[in-house]
Amino acid sequence: DAGVIQSPRHEVTEMGQEVTLRCKPISGHDYLFWYRQTMMRGLELLIYFNNNVPIDDSGMPEDRFSAKMPNASFSTLKIQPSEPRDSAVYFCASSGQGLAIGDEQYFGPGTRLTVT
Amino acid sequence: GQSLEQPSEVTAVEGAIVQINCTYQTSGFYGLSWYQQHDGGAPTFLSYNALDGLEETGRFSSFLSRSDSYGYLLLQELQMKDSASYFCAVSDGGFKTIFGAGTRLFVKA
Repeated sequence: DAGVIQSPRHEVTEMGQEVTLRCKPISGHDYLFWYRQTMMRGLELLIYFNNNVPIDDSGMPEDRFSAKMPNASFSTLKIQPSEPRDSAVYFCASSGQGLAIGDEQYFGPGTRLTVT
Repeated sequence: GQSLEQPSEVTAVEGAIVQINCTYQTSGFYGLSWYQQHDGGAPTFLSYNALDGLEETGRFSSFLSRSDSYGYLLLQELQMKDSASYFCAVSDGGFKTIFGAGTRLFVKA
């Protein structure tokens, strides 16, 4: 398997623009997670899905952020409108069995977002 | 609140042994995981402990004491390539993972 795939790898945009990040999880994995990593706040869980259904979005910072998983092989994280403080590395991760039994999460390479 | 505490930096020499500690305070607890992240890279899974005791995987071992809300990652026979950030993470039982701030390990020749 190719692992978790994310696109784009780098995104530079201007404040106010819409940004869409994409993720393809590992085939067969039931769980998909979106994380944000910054120097100040570390690695934060934004939202996770189980079988394409959003389970916990309490980490989504604002209504400007939304995430979807229309099918088992694709998810998007959208920021509209984007702000400079959204600049971070966004990781997508997938897992086969879920966190409760310690199944490891496989992280994608991340999308480095810069909002100017 | 929920918090994980780990040292911000550790420095060791090649061939040595280093221990990275993690203490946690969370509303629920299922297990403690460790991840490694090289600069510019993605976190990669190292180990998971759900029960008290030591888990060994090659040069890396991880320990958990649930009664003390404490765990550590032990790296033996350090190599230069082990220079990276190491994160402890708690599965809180609500299918949510909470990551520590990370420990940056510098391995010197």
